[in-house]
Formats: sequence, structure tokens, C-alpha cells
Amino acid sequence: AQSVTQLGSHVSVSEGALVLLRCNYSSSVPPYLFWYVQYPNQGLQLLLKYTSAATLVKGINGFEAEFKKSETSFHLTKPSAHMSDAAEYFCAVTRGYAGNNRKLIWGLGTSLAVNP
Amino acid sequence: DVKVTQSSRYLVKRTGEKVFLECVQDMDHENMFWYRQDPGLGLRLIYFSYDVKMKEKGDIPEGYSVSREKKERFSLILESASTNQTSMYLCASSPPSEAGGPVFGPGTRLTVL
Repeated sequence: AQSVTQLGSHVSVSEGALVLLRCNYSSSVPPYLFWYVQYPNQGLQLLLKYTSAATLVKGINGFEAEFKKSETSFHLTKPSAHMSDAAEYFCAVTRGYAGNNRKLIWGLGTSLAVNP
Repeated sequence: DVKVTQSSRYLVKRTGEKVFLECVQDMDHENMFWYRQDPGLGLRLIYFSYDVKMKEKGDIPEGYSVSREKKERFSLILESASTNQTSMYLCASSPPSEAGGPVFGPGTRLTVL
């Protein structure tokens, strides 16, 4: 069965430092993978997605993620954190089984704090 | 600007009340979803609809029902609200291709007293 694990429920970085949010998945079929961001009291917004094209995916707000099949990972990075990046980040994978490949399995989220 | 709208941002109801949460999307998406979000539990799928009048149970359907009479509108119904249904409710829609990630509404924070 498909699953998603986000390592670290809370991550804290200094402004200007590298952001690395980890996501590992398990899937019996080639997955599609997504990263979403949620700012306080708002819905989720798509940051980027992997859909079997390029393994390095660039998203909005300077974020990118690399699909590594051998490591079953899809970690999210940003070279230099900004205060406005403080939010909750969610990784998701398509379920992939017949007839239900439109639903996603979600990680529990990682709360990113950015310190001045 | 394409979007998903939810009828209320904040809602307070009493135990036993029937509660309707409405969601409308303007992207002509076939799929629509209702999730609830609770601290430490992430997003959990309540119900899913892939076409008008078609619905499918998600992971936690107990205590909820849904209605989709028109393509753009997906309603979540709490038949008899209970305090354990206090939560953030998120509606989303997506195109039929699995490559299309869902678009989310702003959420409804429901408190049941």
C-alpha cells in the first residue's frame, strides 16, 4: 500500500539558511508526488509536483524538489529561507490503485519556522 | 483567477444540529473532495466525488454524508453534529488526470459546542 512519511514534524531554520524538508514514500506503482504549503488559517496551495517527467522539479517561491527513485524520496529544498516561508508543508503521493488514482495519500506535515 | 470557495470561514454549531458545508469550484473539475484537518493527524479524506451524483467514501466517512447535484458544487452534511467533529474542513477539486493536483478552498473552521 502507498504511504508517505515526512521526517520531522517541526523544522526551524535561520533566515537565509538552506531549507530541507524530507519526504519518503512507498508505492507499488510509479507515483505522482506533490508538495503543498499551508499558511495560517488558509487552505493548501500547490508548490510543485512530480509527474514522471524531469526528476528535478522547480516550484513557486524558489522551492524545488528532486525525485529519487532509488531512495524513494522527494525532499523539498530552498537555498535561502525567507521569513515568509514560515508555514506548514505537506507531501502527498497518488494512491495508484485501479479506479482510485485520483486520490492522494498525505504526509502528516512539517511545520517550518524561520528565525530572524 | 480559478478557485474553490467555501460557504463559511468560521462556523459555530450546537451538538445535535444538522450542519451543511458548501463548496463551489469554477474550474469545471470532475473530482471534488472533502477533508478534515486536525493537529497531528494531517489531512484525512471524508468523501470523494468523481462525477455528478457519484460519491465514494473516504477514510473517515462516519457521521458525514455528501451531496453533488451539480458539477461545480459539493456539499458536506453533518447529520447530527458532535463535539468530536470540531475541526478544520477543507474542500478541494481536481481534473480527471492524476497529474492534476487538487486545488483547495480556504477551509471552514467548525466548532461544535
